[in-house]
Amino acid sequence: DAGVTQSPTHLIKTRGQHVTLRCSPISGHKSVSWYQQVLGQGPQFIFQYYEKEERGRGNFPDRFSARQFPNYSSELNVNALLLGDSALYLCASSLAANTETQYFGPGTRLLVL
Amino acid sequence: GQQLNQSPQSMFIQEGEDVSMNCTSSSIFNTWLWYKQDPGEGPVLLIALYKAGELTSNGRLTAQFGITRKDSFLNISASIPSDVGIYFCAGQSNAGGTSYGKLTFGQGTILTVHP
Repeated sequence: DAGVTQSPTHLIKTRGQHVTLRCSPISGHKSVSWYQQVLGQGPQFIFQYYEKEERGRGNFPDRFSARQFPNYSSELNVNALLLGDSALYLCASSLAANTETQYFGPGTRLLVL
Repeated sequence: GQQLNQSPQSMFIQEGEDVSMNCTSSSIFNTWLWYKQDPGEGPVLLIALYKAGELTSNGRLTAQFGITRKDSFLNISASIPSDVGIYFCAGQSNAGGTSYGKLTFGQGTILTVHP
């Protein structure tokens, strides 16, 4: 069975640009969560989506937004990129929301120059 | 807010030795998870713990959910070179609101195994 997939694997942008990252959850999973992992630290929670609705939000500015589609895939959008947005962006899927175990994808490495 | 303190930050051991690492929290969690992450990859789930006091094994790995629900530990027995990587603990609460679905991660333990 395919695990969580993310695209692209790597991305280079310049300050002020916009980026869209994509995630497909494990088949049958209805919840997708997004995390940001800065080098040398643990992942930080950005959003959780379940049944196409935002259910949880971490401490990130409004430049970060996301959505979930009817097939449960998801997009993370970041506007007005800053150098500090350079990180590994991880998507995790779970059967349902909140207490279900989350399984991570390989991540998208974003570099902002 | 919730914070996890994971220790040690790094470990250098010989192949065949046992390893122990732990996480403590200022808040209660309902679920504790242990993940392993290789460079450039996403975290891979090792063990999930759902009940205070629970002791669970997965091959050479054993983890326990502390009875206070504020701590957890992971043991690796008879380490091998492929155990090299970064190990993260993560806690999840049943809190609603903006914390819905949130995993709180420790800072990670970097494990190096010398053959």
